[in-house]
Amino acid sequence: GENVEQHPSTLSVQEGDSAVIKCTYSDSASNYFPWYKQELGKGPQLIIDIRSNVGEKKDQRIAVTLNKTAKHFSLHITETQPEDSAVYFCAATTITGTASKLTFGTGTRLQVTL
Amino acid sequence: DVKVTQSSRYLVKRTGEKVFLECVQDMDHENMFWYRQDPGLGLRLIYFSYDVKMKEKGDIPEGYSVSREKKERFSLILESASTNQTSMYLCASSSPGWVGETQYFGPGTRLLVL
Repeated sequence: GENVEQHPSTLSVQEGDSAVIKCTYSDSASNYFPWYKQELGKGPQLIIDIRSNVGEKKDQRIAVTLNKTAKHFSLHITETQPEDSAVYFCAATTITGTASKLTFGTGTRLQVTL
Repeated sequence: DVKVTQSSRYLVKRTGEKVFLECVQDMDHENMFWYRQDPGLGLRLIYFSYDVKMKEKGDIPEGYSVSREKKERFSLILESASTNQTSMYLCASSSPGWVGETQYFGPGTRLLVL
């Protein structure tokens, strides 16, 4: 089955700096890659996603890049703010039966310091 | 506003007890999922359901069962709770039909088995 590796496990940046989180996946059939943000005491929430026919996608301060050949994708957050502090999960989708299944990375705890 | 609710935020049970975790969604979604979240392991899929009375095993189904009698409700059952089932349990739902549907998560149930 699919295996998703995520690095780093923790990341500390100063407010205003950029943060980059990287993920690799194993199943070349995976074709959808969402990123979820989990704030303290809450469930994960989708923040951005990318499909395999696209190399890059941007939404204000966050962007994702995908390299299908190398099977890796990354989340970039620019001009970080304290409210960006959270745990971030990457995921890859595989189709199974009649539902698509997400395989998650192990998470990155991002701390934005003042 | 989309909503996934879980019956308890915190639960303490004894080894050997039968435990029910309930999840309700109000978005008329066909797909529902149960994950467990452990530090350093990310989110791992236990079971999912793509229709009423339908279920499929995820990556770690051992020791768990599920029930989906109504479209909006998906229950996770620990037949005989064990200490290694102490974890955060997250429920999610999504609409079907195409790759890349967003999964909406509940706030989670933190279960402690003594």
